[in-house]
Amino acid sequence: NAGVTQTPKFQVLKTGQSMTLQCAQDMNHEYMSWYRQDPGMGLRLIHYSVGAGITDQGEVPNGYNVSRSTTEDFPLRLLSAAPSQTSVYFCASTHGQGVDYGYTFGSGTRLTVV
Amino acid sequence: GDSVTQMEGPVTLSEEAFLTINCTYTATGYPSLFWYVQYPGEGLQLLLKATKADDKGSNKGFEATYRKETTSFHLEKGSVQVSDSAVYFCALRPNSGYSTLTFGKGTMLLVSP
Repeated sequence: NAGVTQTPKFQVLKTGQSMTLQCAQDMNHEYMSWYRQDPGMGLRLIHYSVGAGITDQGEVPNGYNVSRSTTEDFPLRLLSAAPSQTSVYFCASTHGQGVDYGYTFGSGTRLTVV
Repeated sequence: GDSVTQMEGPVTLSEEAFLTINCTYTATGYPSLFWYVQYPGEGLQLLLKATKADDKGSNKGFEATYRKETTSFHLEKGSVQVSDSAVYFCALRPNSGYSTLTFGKGTMLLVSP
């Protein structure tokens, strides 16, 4: 059981480049989300999805796009990378409305934009 | 909106010392409360949780009690080890429908031999 898998683990981009951060889970979780982690800021929610075909914005969505065509996958797209998007990105998933369930996190993608 | 406030770190302790990391929250209703731990270079792992007032979550020697009257969920451990060195995040999740996690800013714990 792989849990939540994120790729790549590290990435360096030039300003203006685009890329997609991949996230896949094999637990049949309905709920998936993307967070970014910055020093002194904790984790901030970028986008989330409550099921295939349904996405919504979190606290810091600007500059990022998401889609959810399958239950398993929830990619995060940076359309035109900016230095302010240098961060560590985490994907997380959980069952839907059951608050007894914690979230399962991926191991993260460390992104540097130069 | 919902928010979580944690004590700032780093918290520096000697091995076998007593640990307390304070966490207070602001939320409507009665959210579920969580502590997550992040070891260097890794993602977050659920450490413990409590879903209603007066519940005590516990795991690996860590404990936290959901205190509704003080809106707190302080993390404690009686005797820390070097291997407990990590960043600890307090988080809440509203108990209504689909809901996201709101995190505190994290507290780094450094334990020396």
